[in-house]
Amino acid sequence: AQTVTQSQPEMSVQEAETVTLSCTYDTSESDYYLFWYKQPPSRQMILVIRQEAYKQQNATENRFSVNFQKAAKSFSLKISDSQLGDAAMYFCAYRSAGNNDMRFGAGTRLTVKP
Amino acid sequence: SAVISQKPSRDICQRGTSLTIQCQVDSQVTMMFWYRQQPGQSLTLIATANQGSEATYESGFVIDKFPISRPNLTFSTLTVSNMSPEDSSIYLCSVGWQGVGDGYTFGSGTRLTVV
Repeated sequence: AQTVTQSQPEMSVQEAETVTLSCTYDTSESDYYLFWYKQPPSRQMILVIRQEAYKQQNATENRFSVNFQKAAKSFSLKISDSQLGDAAMYFCAYRSAGNNDMRFGAGTRLTVKP
Repeated sequence: SAVISQKPSRDICQRGTSLTIQCQVDSQVTMMFWYRQQPGQSLTLIATANQGSEATYESGFVIDKFPISRPNLTFSTLTVSNMSPEDSSIYLCSVGWQGVGDGYTFGSGTRLTVV
């Protein structure tokens, strides 16, 4: 079974600076999707960014970008120019192309200091 | 993307009782899921809600405890039966489309406290 590991329970960053959240996963499949979700205190799960495993190019969404290393099974999230509104729990998630359920990591709580 | 209405948003229930959570989607979706998020924890998949047939449960979850209905492509319910304090969690509905590699959309969750 696929597992997703987030080794940083908590991270903090100064406002306007850059922070990287780590995620590794274990799979024997070659075709899959990876996601980062944000969960603020409102508990609404918000999709931040997605990456298809067959794409070599790293996904980017405004201030959010990923470093996808398929061979290393690593999928880190970089947040540039951090804002106070970025403070939340961040979950890394894996979804097989052949299976529909999504597996989540344990999460990283990000604090943004003014 | 779909818009999900999940009700109730929160409830406090007596042990031994049952609570039914509703998930209404504004468009037809092929896949609907129910997740549990225990306090301070990640999301754990309870089951996949199948339209017109019995739900597919993950290991550790059983139909008697978490009966699920999905009468059509836009609606599903999750019941938490014979509740105990250990059932206190956030329950989230999630939807997606088969064969599409998009992320799933989540409801705003139901915060359940069992006393």
